[in-house]
Amino acid sequence: EPEVTQTPSHQVTQMGQEVILRCVPISNHLYFYWYRQILGQKVEFLVSFYNNEISEKSEIFDDQFSVERPDGSNFTLKIRSTKLEDSAMYFCASSEGPSSGRIKEQFFGPGTRLTVL
Amino acid sequence: QKEVEQDPGPLSVPEGAIVSLNCTYSNSAFQYFMWYRQYSRKGPELLMYTYSSGNKEDGRFTAQVDKSSKYISLFIRDSQPSDSATYLCAFAGGATNKLIFGTGTLLAVQP
Repeated sequence: EPEVTQTPSHQVTQMGQEVILRCVPISNHLYFYWYRQILGQKVEFLVSFYNNEISEKSEIFDDQFSVERPDGSNFTLKIRSTKLEDSAMYFCASSEGPSSGRIKEQFFGPGTRLTVL
Repeated sequence: QKEVEQDPGPLSVPEGAIVSLNCTYSNSAFQYFMWYRQYSRKGPELLMYTYSSGNKEDGRFTAQVDKSSKYISLFIRDSQPSDSATYLCAFAGGATNKLIFGTGTLLAVQP
């Protein structure tokens, strides 16, 4: 069964360093997302990406964050200068394009646990 | 009023029990209603997805949506220890595809 994969599973970094989190969405999917979950808190939307551009972003997704689809398979989230409060699980998700005007289910990867020291 | 409210639990039941998990929401633009299961330190796994009021059944799981009351439920029949996880309700709708999640309910099914 196709699945979303993410690497690395755990990333430890020093405050102020840049990190890149990688995702391989399901191959025929067109919409890509990043969410995060701070320990003990709810899953929060960061950004959605379609047709090689950001379609929506949350207030959390400030200038320190960027996303890219560098080739036909990978989807990355970059944090330019990490802060302590960026420590969280980061989940990538993907979905097919809408059908009959209805949005499609989002499938999540296993997550990357980011620890900022 | 919060956009989504979900009882965080924890909820502990004996094996074989019927479990009822619930969420309320306030945003009338929500058109899509989902339940995800999340095991500890893992990604959310989609269990049920629906876009209409009424019931949808899949095996031991039944999702119920009441748009007039802005209330959704997930019922688990014949619960198993392997059902022990956090259950997240999620919503989408309007001019956006983003999911709005509840805080999750931690369920423990005791053998």
